[in-house]
Amino acid sequence: AQKVTQAQTEISVVEKEDVTLDCVYETRDTTYYLFWYKQPPSGELVFLIRRNSFDEQNEISGRYSWNFQKSTSSFNFTITASQVVDSAVYFCALSVFKAAGNKLTFGGGTRVLVKP
Amino acid sequence: DVKVTQSSRYLVKRTGEKVFLECVQDMDHENMFWYRQDPGLGLRLIYFSYDVKMKEKGDIPEGYSVSREKKERFSLILESASTNQTSMYLCASSAGTSAYNEQFFGPGTRLTVL
Repeated sequence: AQKVTQAQTEISVVEKEDVTLDCVYETRDTTYYLFWYKQPPSGELVFLIRRNSFDEQNEISGRYSWNFQKSTSSFNFTITASQVVDSAVYFCALSVFKAAGNKLTFGGGTRVLVKP
Repeated sequence: DVKVTQSSRYLVKRTGEKVFLECVQDMDHENMFWYRQDPGLGLRLIYFSYDVKMKEKGDIPEGYSVSREKKERFSLILESASTNQTSMYLCASSAGTSAYNEQFFGPGTRLTVL
């Protein structure tokens, strides 16, 4: 079975500060994908980034960056120079290959509040 | 753009009522999912469907059933609503069978059972 843990329930920062969200996962599968989703106050989850289990190269995309470390089963996500519009709940999720469907296992979410 | 729509944003029902939550996607996706979201628990999968008339139980199927008669539509049914089913319900869809494919979500239905 898969499990995703987001230890931080809420983070509050002032605008322009960096925010790092922690995610730890458990799976026995060797092939898997990790995702980050954002849920703004409107309620609709929006896909942000994904990483496969064979690619530990860390990347930056605009103000987003992520740090994937298989050795510690962690997939952390950083927002650089946060803005008020970044206020949302962020979910880390894990997907493994199954014969049918691509189920996601979600973490409990981290609420980010960016104050002006 | 993929669009996933849900029939209601807010719904109030009474204990014992039969409740239907409807979800429609317009991108010909094979897979559709129903989740419930509760504070601190994240999203938990109730049921999913990988093809018309095909369904599989998720992690918390008790008290729910589903129907998928057409590819674009996936319904969640609460046969006899109970107060512990008060929650936010999210529908999602995705293409194919690859674990790589992201899911696209609807805006959610906040259900209150009195």
